[in-house]
Amino acid sequence: ELKVEQNPLFLSMQEGKNYTIYCNYSTTSDRLYWYRQDPGKSLESLFVLLSNGAVKQEGRLMASLDTKARLSTLHITAAVHDLSATYFCAVDGNTGGFKTIFGAGTRLFVKA
Amino acid sequence: GAGVSQSPRYKVAKRGQDVALRCDPISGHVSLFWYQQALGQGPEFLTYFQNEAQLDKSGLPSDRFFAERPEGSVSTLKIQRTQQEDSAVYLCASSGQDYGYTFGSGTRLTVV
Repeated sequence: ELKVEQNPLFLSMQEGKNYTIYCNYSTTSDRLYWYRQDPGKSLESLFVLLSNGAVKQEGRLMASLDTKARLSTLHITAAVHDLSATYFCAVDGNTGGFKTIFGAGTRLFVKA
Repeated sequence: GAGVSQSPRYKVAKRGQDVALRCDPISGHVSLFWYQQALGQGPEFLTYFQNEAQLDKSGLPSDRFFAERPEGSVSTLKIQRTQQEDSAVYLCASSGQDYGYTFGSGTRLTVV
């Protein structure tokens, strides 16, 4: 059964600092997603990573995928308060079904 | 429409009442998913449609949950005899030819 683990689950950081959120998954998969969710809102797609070594960047966020290690990272550069949100990684199961399995989320708070 | 539309936005149901939640996906999107998100948790897969065919319903928690998409467009998630543990946000997502999902704003169901 595919399991997706994120860490940390809660992150409080100062503006201007860098940090990395980690996402590990338990079985092979060919697709990994990162989403952002603001309180009371729906999920906003940030990145879709499709292959080993894939790296995508948007503003202060950069996501990478290592399929051999079954690990994705979301790196935050010079954090700003507007990045405060919950970040989820999600992985497509590779068992013939259609599930996308989500991690528990990383609640990020950037202090001004 | 431009996005995935869900209604109602909020629903309060008395325990034992039946509810119906509606999802209007992005026009032309073949794939439609329902997820359940408990407070402070990541979304959990409920069911998947490809056009009108329900290809995966393995995430539906009990036979009180039923989903349909009769014309391959609008979908309805029905919960019969609601219980307090059904209280959650129900998210609908649709997907076209690319690999990303677009989520709706969700229906927050509270069973009292």
